[in-house]
Amino acid sequence: DTVLTQSPALAVSPGERVTISCRASESVSTGMHWYQQKPGQQPKLLIYGASNLESGVPARFSGSGSGTDFTLTIDPVEADDTATYFCQQSWNDPNTFGAGTKLELK
Amino acid sequence: QVQLKESGPGLVQPSETLSLTCTVSGFSLTSYSVSWVRQPSGKGPEWMGRMWYDGDTAYNSALKSRLSISRDTSKNQVFLKMNSLQTDDTGTYYCTRESLGYVMDAWGQGASVTVSS
Repeated sequence: DTVLTQSPALAVSPGERVTISCRASESVSTGMHWYQQKPGQQPKLLIYGASNLESGVPARFSGSGSGTDFTLTIDPVEADDTATYFCQQSWNDPNTFGAGTKLELK
Repeated sequence: QVQLKESGPGLVQPSETLSLTCTVSGFSLTSYSVSWVRQPSGKGPEWMGRMWYDGDTAYNSALKSRLSISRDTSKNQVFLKMNSLQTDDTGTYYCTRESLGYVMDAWGQGASVTVSS
């Protein structure tokens, strides 16, 4: 299975720019998607196809990458962005998810 | 609007079978695929399997021997059955709508399942 590796946690101040990384153990082309999960809630799709913004998601969120290295950027970060962010690849079978990056605001 | 809602027992005995129902609205099961995803507390999600829009199924090979997914299009429902449950099957179980490219663009609220005697 394709393993997705994410940093466990980040802490940033409101108004700053933050990048959350996801590295795949093998190429996933652009079959990478990003989700936001707040405590007690279901995940919410933010970015699909590595760089496409889901409808209704603020333009502060953006995604980039292809192959094995991907990045989710939030600029500027707002207090409401406190959450865990997961990457998911759908290029290789089975679909797999990263363990998540917990974003905290200082 | 698009909605998915999971239902089923919150507590299952070890070695027993888990049965969950996903009831959907706002879209057709013959136009979109629905996947089941589970998430242990504090961990990343795990894709379990998929009911394709055409009625075919796909399963994670790690769970395939224990898992069955079916549907009733007249009731807008997708079903999950998994047997031989153990304590490490405890977690929240979600059904999700998949759009093109296996993107999970809508999620249910989740069903919390605890495996314990």
